[in-house]
Amino acid sequence: EVKLVESGGGLVQPGGSLRVSCEVSGFPFRSYWMSWVRQAPGQGLEWVANINKDGSETYYVDSAKGRFTISRDNAQNSLFLQMSSLRVEDTAVYYCARDRAKMYCNGTSCSSLYYSLDVWGEGTTVTVSS
Amino acid sequence: DIQMTQSPSSLSASIGDRVTITCRASQSINNHLNWYQQKSRKAPKLLVSAASNLEDGVPSRFSGGGSGTHFTLTINSLQPEDFATYYCQQSSVSPRTFGPGTKLEIK
Repeated sequence: EVKLVESGGGLVQPGGSLRVSCEVSGFPFRSYWMSWVRQAPGQGLEWVANINKDGSETYYVDSAKGRFTISRDNAQNSLFLQMSSLRVEDTAVYYCARDRAKMYCNGTSCSSLYYSLDVWGEGTTVTVSS
Repeated sequence: DIQMTQSPSSLSASIGDRVTITCRASQSINNHLNWYQQKSRKAPKLLVSAASNLEDGVPSRFSGGGSGTHFTLTINSLQPEDFATYYCQQSSVSPRTFGPGTKLEIK
């Protein structure tokens, strides 16, 4: 069974730091890009960051640049998000998701790779408050 | 960054109705567009990838279309389990932005 389980959420003061983790099972972790997505209370989904298969490429939403670091340990099947200089507006449920790359073929021709978040964890709640 | 918009932001419909949700990108994303369903703030579920490809197990009453900057998600013959919030997401470039969501409610 494919499974993603986040942990590490909690209450932290503004300006503080927190690391959330995502433990993966049921698929070859090292073969997939991975993403973090968050959802503030009563708000929509916000893509936060993603990382390539070997951890050598990372991308961030502007609000996370310089404060958040996404990383992975392929030996431990784990994804991480280190968050520092936390702000009240970082309060959210943080989801990890598998970033699937898929090619669509029609007869003899195939498309380029298309990315989508096809498996999600249940999320971990981060609350930034004094 | 590519901005995504959705319309309507909310929608009331009845069981058996046909509804269409629109998603627009601020620049062309070809068909690098995904649709997700989220119920009661549970983990989102991928419904459609590459604008029009239905995921395995998603009922055929769902269909996606469009390319470039204009996309649609259509649900034919609404069922009780379809009442949820729907998000589009572009996967053309990072950051892979989501639309603000469309909340589909029972009339």
